[in-house]
Amino acid sequence: QSALTQPASVSGSPGQSITISCTGSSSDIGGHDYVSWYQQHPGKAPKLMIYDVSNRPSGVSHRFSGSKSGNTASLTISGLQAEDEADYYCSSYRSNNTVVFGGGTKLTVL
Amino acid sequence: EVQLVESGGGLVKPGGSLRLSCAVSGFTFSAYGMNWVRQAPGKGLEWVSSISSGSSYIYYADSVKGRFTISRDNAKNSLYLQMNSLRAEDTAVYYCATASSVGVFDTWGQGTLVIVSS
Repeated sequence: QSALTQPASVSGSPGQSITISCTGSSSDIGGHDYVSWYQQHPGKAPKLMIYDVSNRPSGVSHRFSGSKSGNTASLTISGLQAEDEADYYCSSYRSNNTVVFGGGTKLTVL
Repeated sequence: EVQLVESGGGLVKPGGSLRLSCAVSGFTFSAYGMNWVRQAPGKGLEWVSSISSGSSYIYYADSVKGRFTISRDNAKNSLYLQMNSLRAEDTAVYYCATASSVGVFDTWGQGTLVIVSS
């Protein structure tokens, strides 16, 4: 089960916007609208930030948004804040009733 | 408050077995699908297994199929993962997580560390 492809790292200055991509295939991202994004700070459990491509759970800042085009999903964080520095993982449902994660992206706020 | 508390991790020799538990509170456990997700030291997240609310549907990652068994006891608000024939590559923090929808891991426990080493 190959993982989804994410950039290893991205960076941005406070107040800027960044986008993290997540590329899969027609069996996962391209074939279903079940893409989620998770934020993980060091030593902590992951936290759900986006589900079903673009939905935000209650309590998650409006600065976080998700989208999808073809086999690629994206997470955009606007108005970067120091607290956004963390690892971000995408995930997608796959046609064989499994779930696959991306390799993770380390976000650095400069 | 929703709480998930994993337990049962530890050091085990290759080929050995371990049973993880996840005790939940603060929500109607029997209404939710549940999952196990693991994270090897310094690595990314890997989905391990899922079980539907009534245990009718169970799925595994290829990497653990035939060795791990997921189960739940709705009367005890508990989720389990029986891990047999453990390998060094199974070393990871194991998280239990709720699933309100397909592939959505809403709430996570704090994790329990499993180390497979001789």
